[in-house]
Amino acid sequence: DAGVTQSPTHLIKTRGQQVTLRCSPKSGHDTVSWYQQALGQGPQFIFQYYEEEERQRGNFPDRFSGHQFPNYSSELNVNALLLGDSALYLCASSQLRGTHQDTQYFGPGTRLTVL
Amino acid sequence: RKEVEQDPGPFNVPEGATVAFNCTYSNSASQSFFWYRQDCRKEPKLLMSVYSSGNEDGRFTAQLNRASQYISLLIRDSKLSDSATYLCVVSLNTGGFKTIFGAGTRLFVKA
Repeated sequence: DAGVTQSPTHLIKTRGQQVTLRCSPKSGHDTVSWYQQALGQGPQFIFQYYEEEERQRGNFPDRFSGHQFPNYSSELNVNALLLGDSALYLCASSQLRGTHQDTQYFGPGTRLTVL
Repeated sequence: RKEVEQDPGPFNVPEGATVAFNCTYSNSASQSFFWYRQDCRKEPKLLMSVYSSGNEDGRFTAQLNRASQYISLLIRDSKLSDSATYLCVVSLNTGGFKTIFGAGTRLFVKA
């Protein structure tokens, strides 16, 4: 049973460019959340997708957008990259059961460097 | 005030020591509570969920005090392999589930 997978593992971009990161959830999971983790900090919640819709969003600008596909996989898009966007981007999947969210499992992350 | 605050650390302890991590959260509507462990340059992994009744898993004991909005993690008989960053995590349902991580507390266990 494959866990959460993310691609690519590393990425280098320059300021102003756009980037797309991809995530495949753990088998049986229907919810995907994205996090940004700067060096020495805890992960910061970007947004959560369920049933192909953004259900909850953290304090991130509109440059950060996402999508969830019918197979539950997800993409994170960041436009107009800034140096401060350099971070580890983590995807986590879980299963929603009514008003309860099961444990989140994290992928290995994509390390984005903006030059 | 941060939504989830942890001891800043780092904690440096000898093998066999008992170490306690503390965490407070600001939103009283928080519903679920967890401790995650993160090794250097790796993804966070669930260590244990935290319940008001307290829960124990081997050398690890977690406790939740909803009235004080306080979460704790106790590690007994520390091992070298316990060296990692410990993340306090709180989740709440506000139409969708929002998960908030503390900044983490780094633990170094030395021989």
